[in-house]
Amino acid sequence: AQSVTQLGSHVSVSEGALVLLRCNYSSSVPPYLFWYVQYPNQGLQLLLKYTTGATLVKGINGFEAEFKKSETSFHLTKPSAHMSDAAEYFCAVSFNTGNQFYFGTGTSLTVIP
Amino acid sequence: DAGVTQSPTHLIKTRGQQVTLRCSPKSGHDTVSWYQQALGQGPQFIFQYYEEEERQRGNFPDRFSGHQFPNYSSELNVNALWLGDSALYLCASSSRDWNNEQFFGPGTRLTVL
Repeated sequence: AQSVTQLGSHVSVSEGALVLLRCNYSSSVPPYLFWYVQYPNQGLQLLLKYTTGATLVKGINGFEAEFKKSETSFHLTKPSAHMSDAAEYFCAVSFNTGNQFYFGTGTSLTVIP
Repeated sequence: DAGVTQSPTHLIKTRGQQVTLRCSPKSGHDTVSWYQQALGQGPQFIFQYYEEEERQRGNFPDRFSGHQFPNYSSELNVNALWLGDSALYLCASSSRDWNNEQFFGPGTRLTVL
């Protein structure tokens, strides 16, 4: 069965500190991997995606993630947190073009001034 | 480009009633997926429509049904509402010609009393 696990439902970092949000998946076939951000009372906005090719992907707002097949992980990082990064972050996986997305339960990021 | 639009924004219903939610996909997209996001949870896949047919379905009862129109817009219908149906309902659109990225609308907040 396919699934996504996000470790840490709440993460707090100081402004300017490193952001690390963890995502692990389980799959028997190669995955497509995504990170989405959700601000209060809004829909989901794509931060970045991995489909094929380079395993280190860069997204919007300074975020990046690395696909590690051996660890079945796709952790999201940002070198320096900004107050505007405070939001809910969701990792998602799909397994074939056009197929459904499986989402993690989300990580709420708080940025402390 | 207006992106993915959904209506209404908010909706309040009572148990046993029926509801219809609407979605217009991003320009150029032909596939619409619906997700249910309960409070504090990640989105759960309901179903996906392509070429006016349901192509995939998640683990949701038959009370949840949908439709896709020739202009690619879509409706989600839920019959016999119960309290557990209270959630944010997200519509996502994508293109079969693309490698799987889904664009999300702002959602419809459904409250069942």
